[in-house]
Amino acid sequence: RKEVEQDPGPFNVPEGATVAFNCTYSNSASQSFFWYRQDCRKEPKLLMSVYSSGNEDGRFTAQLNRASQYISLLIRDSKLSDSATYLCVVNMNYGGSQGNLIFGKGTKLSVKP
Amino acid sequence: DVKVTQSSRYLVKRTGEKVFLECVQDMDHENMFWYRQDPGLGLRLIYFSYDVKMKEKGDIPEGYSVSREKKERFSLILESASTNQTSMYLCASSVRGEQFFGPGTRLTVL
Repeated sequence: RKEVEQDPGPFNVPEGATVAFNCTYSNSASQSFFWYRQDCRKEPKLLMSVYSSGNEDGRFTAQLNRASQYISLLIRDSKLSDSATYLCVVNMNYGGSQGNLIFGKGTKLSVKP
Repeated sequence: DVKVTQSSRYLVKRTGEKVFLECVQDMDHENMFWYRQDPGLGLRLIYFSYDVKMKEKGDIPEGYSVSREKKERFSLILESASTNQTSMYLCASSVRGEQFFGPGTRLTVL
């Protein structure tokens, strides 16, 4: 089974910093891409989808490079509440299902005062 | 809002016991999933289901079975619990690729 790889961190940054997470995936047939956020002892929740043209949601910007099979997440002006684990997720779309996701192991972010 | 509920947040069982983990979703999603999450290993797919009475093995199905008798309910069964099945179990349902997770069940097998 193909994998999704991320730097596990932890990334320890001060409030207000800009931080970038990277992720690579090995299956070039992957169809859709997401970033999920998981707080300590909580379930993962969708942060944002990642589109080929790149997309932004407030302080968060996601980029996709299909040629390099690379996904990134940029967080500007980090807040204490951004502390969490960020999961890179790829939809393989095999077997006729639209729902099978491959999760990276996550990158832990800790924002300090 | 999509709601996915799991029957227990914490569960303690003994080796050899049969364990049922229940998951219910209220959004009429066809796809449902069971994962386990362990430190350093991330989320690993155990089983998934595209429809009622349908099931497919994920990456680590050994020691587990599932049941999907109704669309909204997907059950994970540990036929004979073992200590290496101590883990966080997460259920999810999906639509258009986005998965919605339940709060998880932390299972400890003694």
